[in-house]
Amino acid sequence: DIQMTQSPASLSASLGETISIECRASEDIYSNLAWYQQKSGKSPQLLIYAANRLQDGVPSRFSGSGSGTQYSLKISGMQPEDEGDYFCLQGSKFPPTFGSGTKLEIK
Amino acid sequence: EVQLVESGGGLVQPGRSLKLSCLASGFTFSNYGMNWIRQAPGKGLEWVASISSSSSYIYYADTVKGRFTISRDNAKNTLYLQMTSLRSEDTALYYCARRGSSYRGYYFDYWGQGVMVTVSS
Repeated sequence: DIQMTQSPASLSASLGETISIECRASEDIYSNLAWYQQKSGKSPQLLIYAANRLQDGVPSRFSGSGSGTQYSLKISGMQPEDEGDYFCLQGSKFPPTFGSGTKLEIK
Repeated sequence: EVQLVESGGGLVQPGRSLKLSCLASGFTFSNYGMNWIRQAPGKGLEWVASISSSSSYIYYADTVKGRFTISRDNAKNTLYLQMTSLRSEDTALYYCARRGSSYRGYYFDYWGQGVMVTVSS
């Protein structure tokens, strides 16, 4: 199975700050990478798919980049509603595997 | 609006069975692959099983293969997960999720609210 190593495990950011979360795959996943946000007690919401495509309705301050084995999610200007857990998903090879998650809090 | 509503969870003893359902609405269910994904308390996400739109292709995680069966009824817009020989490590919040279709890669674009399964004596 492809292992997804996500970092950092937790992050504290000030309002308006730009932050990045990284995911590294154990092998090339050819941009088959999605990012999700999960707020407390809620189901995951898709933010980014195909590494850099913004899901409809997601604010433009979210962006994704990367290729090969290295990918990142950037939030340009932290907002209060961005608090939550974030995780990546590789969909290049079965089984689909998730990163371990990043807990993002407001400083 | 896409909606996925899971049901059928609960407390069950080890070795027993349970069947989860996921009722879909707001889209043409028969056009989409569907999945079950679980999240154990305080843990990360684990993909469990997937089924193609016409049930032609079915895949399972090694941790549930031989014990769980995914199925669907397109006439009823419903996805199922039959779970047998349940173990304590199957305790989790189970989500049904739709496979995204905007590109060829595998991802999930909509998730239900989840249903809790607790395996304990």
